[in-house]
Amino acid sequence: GENVEQHPSTLSVQEGDSAVIKCTYSDSASNYFPWYKQELGKRPQLIIDIRSNVGEKKDQRIAVTLNKTAKHFSLHITETQPEDSAVYFCAASNSRIQGAQKLVFGQGTRLTINP
Amino acid sequence: SAVISQKPSRDICQRGTSLTIQCQVDSQVTMMFWYRQQPGQSLTLIATANQGSEATYESGFVIDKFPISRPNLTFSTLTVSNMSPEDSSIYLCSVARGLTDTQYFGPGTRLTVL
Repeated sequence: GENVEQHPSTLSVQEGDSAVIKCTYSDSASNYFPWYKQELGKRPQLIIDIRSNVGEKKDQRIAVTLNKTAKHFSLHITETQPEDSAVYFCAASNSRIQGAQKLVFGQGTRLTINP
Repeated sequence: SAVISQKPSRDICQRGTSLTIQCQVDSQVTMMFWYRQQPGQSLTLIATANQGSEATYESGFVIDKFPISRPNLTFSTLTVSNMSPEDSSIYLCSVARGLTDTQYFGPGTRLTVL
């Protein structure tokens, strides 16, 4: 089945700098790649997603890039702010149960923004 | 996105007992899923809750341990049966409106088994 590897497990950056989190996936049939942000004690919140027919997607300070050939995708956060501190999870979808996207998650990255 | 609620938000249970967790959505959704998030870990899919039919379980999860119901398009339950301390986790439901739609998560149920 699908396997998603996420790196780094922890990341600390200075406020205002950029942060990059990378994920690789194993199943070349995967076609949907969301990113979730989870603050302490809260539910995972979708922040951005990308489908396999697109190479890059941007939403304000957040961008995701996808390299299907290399089977990896990355989250880029620019001009980081203290409220960006959280655990970030990537995921990949490789199968359909009755047409639904079934997500396999990476291990998570704990991002800390230092003021 | 849909408004999703879960009950209970947290519970402390004794070994050998069972707990049923409810997930309610404010509008009809096509798909509902149940995930487990062990302390400090990632999310693992337990099963897909199918309306009107048996749930579809992932490898390592069985119906006897995690029976699931989905009587309609807005409600599902997950039961954690014959609990042991290893079942201490956060249990989250997620929903998707359409077949290829984004998944949104409920607030989770934090379960502690003593």
